[in-house]
Amino acid sequence: DQQVKQNSPSLSVQEGRISILNCDYTNSMFDYFLWYKKYPAEGPTFLISISSIKDKNEDGRFTVFLNKSAKHLSLHIVPSQPGDSAVYFCAASEGGGNKLTFGTGTQLKVEL
Amino acid sequence: GAVVSQHPSRVICKSGTSVKIECRSLDFQATTMFWYRQFPKKSLMLMATSNEGSKATYEQGVEKDKFLINHASLTLSTLTVTSAHPEDSSFYICSAHRVYGYTFGSGTRLTVV
Repeated sequence: DQQVKQNSPSLSVQEGRISILNCDYTNSMFDYFLWYKKYPAEGPTFLISISSIKDKNEDGRFTVFLNKSAKHLSLHIVPSQPGDSAVYFCAASEGGGNKLTFGTGTQLKVEL
Repeated sequence: GAVVSQHPSRVICKSGTSVKIECRSLDFQATTMFWYRQFPKKSLMLMATSNEGSKATYEQGVEKDKFLINHASLTLSTLTVTSAHPEDSSFYICSAHRVYGYTFGSGTRLTVV
């Protein structure tokens, strides 16, 4: 039972344009959401998070949007840079500090 | 910032032997650490939650006797893969939680031959 899904396994974007990565979840008890960037054979690197009391959080080029009614969140990266090319995972937990459930990942490729 | 050191980064072992993977929080105390496993091009699957001074909580389908977890101090958790088989070959990642979020180790690539 995949409680967190990323329906796009891959995404290709031109440098300078916006990258939008999507994530859907089914567990209504999730109240804390995170996005991670990951390279092969490395651990995930934290990007940005959002709690369920908010619908938007911004940090530099990264913005996360949360739509609780739709059980959907998205990560916007603007402008996209070649160094952003990696696999992006969304993750969710019931309360901060509890175990994370990861999505299936989206491979982002930012092209010159 | 918070750093989690995971060692070794890569290990090759023979079938039937045991392998220990260490996860250390270098500049903070972690009462809870998590162990994940990632298959090629797949998501990170939580194996167990490790609590300092108590038994680990394993996820459904994870063999407790095969994947031994010890969290003897606030800065160290270990995962021992016992009697390893080729199907245990995978990428194992630990994570520690602190006030400001979760920090992940760099992972361990285990290959059982």
